[in-house]
Amino acid sequence: GNSVTQMEGPVTLSEEAFLTINCTYTATGYPSLFWYVQYPGEGLQLLLKATKADDKGSNKGFEATYRKETTSFHLEKGSVQVSDSAVYFCALILDSGGYQKVTFGTGTKLQVIP
Amino acid sequence: GAVVSQHPSRVICKSGTSVKIECRSLDFQATTMFWYRQFPKQSLMLMATSNEGSKATYEQGVEKDKFLINHASLTLSTLTVTSAHPEDSSFYICSARVWGATEAFFGQGTRLTVV
Repeated sequence: GNSVTQMEGPVTLSEEAFLTINCTYTATGYPSLFWYVQYPGEGLQLLLKATKADDKGSNKGFEATYRKETTSFHLEKGSVQVSDSAVYFCALILDSGGYQKVTFGTGTKLQVIP
Repeated sequence: GAVVSQHPSRVICKSGTSVKIECRSLDFQATTMFWYRQFPKQSLMLMATSNEGSKATYEQGVEKDKFLINHASLTLSTLTVTSAHPEDSSFYICSARVWGATEAFFGQGTRLTVV
């Protein structure tokens, strides 16, 4: 079956530090890859996506590159802010005969301290 | 981007009562809606997938008689937790998909507390 593995949190960083949250996946087929962010008390929001190998998704200073050879989609940001504190979910979406499933990682809590 | 509205955001109910959660796609027609449950410190768990006008498909281990899902129109799906018990307390999130799109759009989530 499909699965997504991401690093456990919480990750605690000082403001302006570099962020990496690792995400690897297994899938039968060619999935699209996503990062979702969940701010405290809110639902999930799409942060960025990549639909094929070597694509780079980017948004709000965050980036992730779809690496088929390493089955990875690591999230990076060069300089984090306190407002980036949230839970980040790596996910894959795979269409199978018109039936779509989203598989999530367990989420990584990021805490950015001033 | 597409907006999915989920209501209520928080609900507290007594054990044995039923609770209905609504999920609406505000500016698009959602051919498929998904319902997830999030346990503390765990990932989202897919409960069921519903296509407009047809019965929902439940994931293994999810009681279909307890978690009733209705997808009566292209913009509305409801999840009813029947005879709720404290172990049903959780964060429930819906998402909606437009036919042909790669991403899913999520509601704000509902925090259910059963006392």
